[in-house]
Amino acid sequence: EPEVTQTPSHQVTQMGQEVILRCVPISNHLYFYWYRQILGQKVEFLVSFYNNEISEKSEIFDDQFSVERPDGSNFTLKIRSTKLEDSAMYFCASSIPGAGGGEQYFGPGTRLTVT
Amino acid sequence: QQQVKQSPQSLIVQKGGIPIINCAYENTAFDYFPWYQQFPGKGPALLIAIRPDVSEKKEGRFTISFNKSAKQFSLHIMDSQPGDSATYFCAASRGGTASKLTFGTGTRLQVTL
Repeated sequence: EPEVTQTPSHQVTQMGQEVILRCVPISNHLYFYWYRQILGQKVEFLVSFYNNEISEKSEIFDDQFSVERPDGSNFTLKIRSTKLEDSAMYFCASSIPGAGGGEQYFGPGTRLTVT
Repeated sequence: QQQVKQSPQSLIVQKGGIPIINCAYENTAFDYFPWYQQFPGKGPALLIAIRPDVSEKKEGRFTISFNKSAKQFSLHIMDSQPGDSATYFCAASRGGTASKLTFGTGTRLQVTL
């Protein structure tokens, strides 16, 4: 069964450093998302992406964040200058167009630890 | 208005019991309501979803009940098993494509033997 994959599974970085989180969405999906989950809290939307541009972004997704689909398979989230409060699980999700609300399928996540 | 309120925060039931998790929303533009199951260290997995044109949907041992007038929906797990022990999140979106999911705060379910 197709699934969303994410790398790395765990990233440790120092405050102020840049990180890139990588995702490979399900191959026939056209809509891509990033969410984050601070330990023990709910999942929060960051950004959605379609047709090589951002569809929607939350207030969390400020100028320090960017997304890119550099080729036909990868979808990346870049944090330019990490802060301690960026420590969280970051989940990539993807969906296909059509009815049903566009069921979103999540990857296993990348645990980002900022020290 | 964008919030989805979920209760209870945690729930312990015996094997075979029927845990019920409740969610409420305020935004009447929401028209797609999925439930996700999350095991520790894993990503949320889509379990079952409903749209407001029906009041109930069953898939296996999982049932969603939906009350449009009350803006509430709930997840029932029939004949619960220890393997169902996980955190369950309700969510809502405006539907359509590329629409963000707004998640509830989660319910940690433990099913004991």
